[in-house]
Amino acid sequence: GAGVSQSPSNKVTEKGKDVELRCDPISGHTALYWYRQRLGQGLEFLIYFQGNSAPDKSGLPSDRFSAERTGESVSTLTIQRTQQEDSAVYLCASSLAPGRGGYEQYFGPGTRLTVT
Amino acid sequence: DQQVKQNSPSLSVQEGRISILNCDYTNSMFDYFLWYKKYPAEGPTFLISISSIKDKNEDGRFTVFLNKSAKHLSLHIVPSQPGDSAVYFCAASGKTGNQFYFGTGTSLTVIP
Repeated sequence: GAGVSQSPSNKVTEKGKDVELRCDPISGHTALYWYRQRLGQGLEFLIYFQGNSAPDKSGLPSDRFSAERTGESVSTLTIQRTQQEDSAVYLCASSLAPGRGGYEQYFGPGTRLTVT
Repeated sequence: DQQVKQNSPSLSVQEGRISILNCDYTNSMFDYFLWYKKYPAEGPTFLISISSIKDKNEDGRFTVFLNKSAKHLSLHIVPSQPGDSAVYFCAASGKTGNQFYFGTGTSLTVIP
């Protein structure tokens, strides 16, 4: 079946502009995660959605970052007033509900964001 | 505060030999550990996992060992193949699975 897809694959934006990144999870996966990977660093947790529960936003680095997910479908990550330090690869992953054999996350290819 | 650490940024191994990738963690509440493999321009792909109630899990050429007292896990690849050349990340989570902590990765090169 189809894997996790993300769009756009690459985004170049000017400092101060807003950007929206999209993630389409695997159908039936109730859990969805956003991560950021800066150059030479590991994956940094941003936000977690599980079904209709309130999302875990504890990893969002500032109030310029927000994310939404409608039900168990598409999610969008929005970065307002982008800064150069926001340049990174943004990865989305989905899984079955954790604790029900769902610890294995399936990742999308990522969106490479460059803020100039 | 890096809760999961991979102290070796790179590793080179001859084809056919064993590759051993190491990972250390600081949080004793972690309950589940995973290894991911990542090729350039692709997202990480799940490789193998282990829960805290076990000390070993094997899947084909891949074996993960967990030493809870030392807060250390390792991934063994035997025999190593050129196609195994990639960046390997270890990750850890508590029981709820709402947050996963990733190491910074080890770049493995298998030399033919």
